[in-house]
Amino acid sequence: NAGVTQTPKFRVLKTGQSMTLLCAQDMNHEYMYWYRQDPGMGLRLIHYSVGEGTTAKGEVPDGYNVSRLKKQNFLLGLESAAPSQTSVYFCASSYPLTPFGGAHNEQFFGPGTRLTVL
Amino acid sequence: AQTVTQSQPEMSVQEAETVTLSCTYDTSENNYYLFWYKQPPSRQMILVIRQEAYKQQNATENRFSVNFQKAAKSFSLKISDSQLGDTAMYFCAFMKHRVRDNLFFGTGTRLTVIP
Repeated sequence: NAGVTQTPKFRVLKTGQSMTLLCAQDMNHEYMYWYRQDPGMGLRLIHYSVGEGTTAKGEVPDGYNVSRLKKQNFLLGLESAAPSQTSVYFCASSYPLTPFGGAHNEQFFGPGTRLTVL
Repeated sequence: AQTVTQSQPEMSVQEAETVTLSCTYDTSENNYYLFWYKQPPSRQMILVIRQEAYKQQNATENRFSVNFQKAAKSFSLKISDSQLGDTAMYFCAFMKHRVRDNLFFGTGTRLTVIP
């Protein structure tokens, strides 16, 4: 199994350009997440999805859109990139929480995408 | 809102020695999960250890163990017999025991293992 993969690994954009980051998982996970990681900060949740066709906002959703048309894929879009969106983006996936937790609450992370907006 | 605090931005330890990384958190929840993630230079986030708040016993995974103090809202990570491969950023994270919830991360501790 490949686990969680992200495309692309690196990207440089100019202010105002648009792009889409692709996350794919082959573990049949219901939940998927997009985080951003900035220097000196932990990961912060941008958007997440609890199933195909559903999405929800996280802590820092402004300037991003997402779609979950297929269970295995979760797309993160930047319609008009800004320098403040320069960051490393991580995708993660997990099973739904169960009443007694256990292994089903572990989030598996992709390798990250380093995005620079000039 | 949940907050997770890691007060040690950087730490170092001699190879084969023991080091403890600190983490405190703030929550009004009674049931929740705590995690330590490792991020080596490769950037990959790797789960090190997990603790369920309803379990009083501290979690252990080989050389990694935690000291979970629920009343004090403290969750420290002890690494025994440190190895060069342990050099990484370590993030403490919190998750509420609830459907549709996410991880709240601390700002991380950069650990360097010195040969």
